Amino acid sequence: DAGVTQSPTHLIKTRGQQVTLRCSPKSGHDTVSWYQQALGQGPQFIFQYYEEEERQRGNFPDRFSGHQFPNYSSELNVNALLLGDSALYLCASSYYDRRNTEAFFGQGTRLTVV
Amino acid sequence: DAKTTQPNSMESNEEEPVHLPCNHSTISGTDYIHWYRQLPSQGPEYVIHGLTSNVNNRMASLAIAEDRKSSTLILHRATLRDAAVYYCILSLEYGNKLVFGAGTILRVKS
Repeated sequence: DAGVTQSPTHLIKTRGQQVTLRCSPKSGHDTVSWYQQALGQGPQFIFQYYEEEERQRGNFPDRFSGHQFPNYSSELNVNALLLGDSALYLCASSYYDRRNTEAFFGQGTRLTVV
Repeated sequence: DAKTTQPNSMESNEEEPVHLPCNHSTISGTDYIHWYRQLPSQGPEYVIHGLTSNVNNRMASLAIAEDRKSSTLILHRATLRDAAVYYCILSLEYGNKLVFGAGTILRVKS
């Protein structure tokens, strides 16, 4: 089992551009959550997808959007990039209907906006 | 989202036990207590979780106060590989939405 895989691992974009990050969940997991982690801080919840719908959302602007595919993989899209969007973006997968099990995280995508 | 409070940093000697405290005075009856850790340049890694009773697994033990307003993660014999940021998190929502705080930076000295 490859666990949670994210691509790409690193990315450099220019302010104002758009970016798409990808995540494949751990085998058997049906829920994907996305987190943003700025340098020196804990991860911040962006949103969560289950059954191809956004189920929960954190305090992030509409520039952040996502998608989940029938195979449970997911994409995070960020439009009109700002310098402040530079961060490590983490994807986590889990089972939706089990609160008492762990979430598995990927290694993250390091996004740098210049 | 219920809040947790942890010390900013702690230091331990290798091969000695480490007790990482967490306060969660606003915890509700259905909140689970989760601990994750994040090693440098990696995504967070699950450590342990519990609801009311103390829990043990191969990585650590979780001691939960009787009133559930605090908990302690216990690493029985710290190694250099345990140096990481440790996060105490309360999980209520289905789908395991996790609300991270700043965590505790654990430094392990050889």
